[in-house]
Amino acid sequence: GAVVSQHPSWVICKSGTSVKIECRSLDFQATTMFWYRQFPKQSLMLMATSNEGSKATYEQGVEKDKFLINHASLTLSTLTVTSAHPEDSSFYICSARGGPSEQFFGPGTRLTVL
Amino acid sequence: GENVEQHPSTLSVQEGDSAVIKCTYSDSASNYFPWYKQELGKRPQLIIDIRSNVGEKKDQRIAVTLNKTAKHFSLHITETQPEDSAVYFCAALINDYKLSFGAGTTVTVRA
Repeated sequence: GAVVSQHPSWVICKSGTSVKIECRSLDFQATTMFWYRQFPKQSLMLMATSNEGSKATYEQGVEKDKFLINHASLTLSTLTVTSAHPEDSSFYICSARGGPSEQFFGPGTRLTVL
Repeated sequence: GENVEQHPSTLSVQEGDSAVIKCTYSDSASNYFPWYKQELGKRPQLIIDIRSNVGEKKDQRIAVTLNKTAKHFSLHITETQPEDSAVYFCAALINDYKLSFGAGTTVTVRA
């Protein structure tokens, strides 16, 4: 089946620093990837849609200058949380579109900002 | 935008009993409805999905039903086992490419 990886699986950083999270589709090409954020005991909230070779589409209320997305190849999308603050601490999950409907999820990245 | 409502938020069942989770959606154009199981700290795992041209789909102990007219779909788990304990999310595909998730249901199967 389709495999999506994320790196790192967890990260702890100081407030004000930037953190980059990578999402890779390992055995298929994905022109579209998605980035979600999930707070404890809450649902997955779509942050943005990452399109290979073009700008990401952000959901309402998500700051595009704070959450930088780059989708430079058909197998890699990156999310950079700039000037992270404690309220950015969350579980960040990516997914890759594997067909007309299906999405394959990465294992998630636990971000803790001190 | 699409609004997916999910009920109940928590569900406790005795091992061997059935569990039912219900979701409603607002966009009549939605045509794909997956269900995910998520264990603590793990990725959502697709357990079953249904498309709008089908009313029911079954996979062993898991079944999903879809009522397009009423815009609701349900997950049915029969003969529940302790390993079924997890958080379950329904979702609906909107604008043909992105998923809108329900709030989730925490299922606890009592041994």
